[in-house]
Amino acid sequence: GAGVSQTPSNKVTEKGKYVELRCDPISGHTALYWYRQSLGQGPEFLIYFQGTGAADDSGLPNDRFFAVRPEGSVSTLKIQRTERGDSAMYLCASSPGLAGEETQYFGPGTRLLVL
Amino acid sequence: SQKIEQNSEALNIQEGKTATLTCNYTNYSPAYLQWYRQDPGRGPVFLLLIRENEKEKRKERLKVTFDTTLKQSLFHITASQPADSATYLCALDLSGGSYIPTFGRGTSLIVHP
Repeated sequence: GAGVSQTPSNKVTEKGKYVELRCDPISGHTALYWYRQSLGQGPEFLIYFQGTGAADDSGLPNDRFFAVRPEGSVSTLKIQRTERGDSAMYLCASSPGLAGEETQYFGPGTRLLVL
Repeated sequence: SQKIEQNSEALNIQEGKTATLTCNYTNYSPAYLQWYRQDPGRGPVFLLLIRENEKEKRKERLKVTFDTTLKQSLFHITASQPADSATYLCALDLSGGSYIPTFGRGTSLIVHP
């Protein structure tokens, strides 16, 4: 595709509900990242995939957060039992995943609001 | 602890002047440092990457310097334009060429016509 896409662009949910956020990376990019960004802050790392596997999930704040990338392309970030503190912009980025190719290409983000 | 510092206060300059943004870090040994631009409500857009063995890199009106002794990077925009107004983020790997960059909080640049 032309760029990284994320859906939905906005999501409003109620406290305690389950949400899924989707990311379509650039075709051929093996590396995929999820970040969370609060107002006035930089993107905060959540999880990094190389292919289908989670190479580093050390940024996931707790076990309510989970992400998958079953075919090495599209990824879904899943949040269970949402809390008001989960409200933020969720950003996805992809990169070629090769040494010397560290540039990350970000999607437009999903703005999550938990009421 | 490891830390990245960018000025939290917005930088206001007049059109045509050079904007200089600063990124300082502590307790890192980054193999590279990146600068991104972010507009409100949008994802960051990559601008430049500079490696630890490079002192300076240029791209059109942009220039980045990287001083591993001072643990500082400077980002310059020459002949600034109102369209350059945005938040600029620096990002660097924790150490040794990790694929996971850590981002600073960004500095807002406002260029007045």
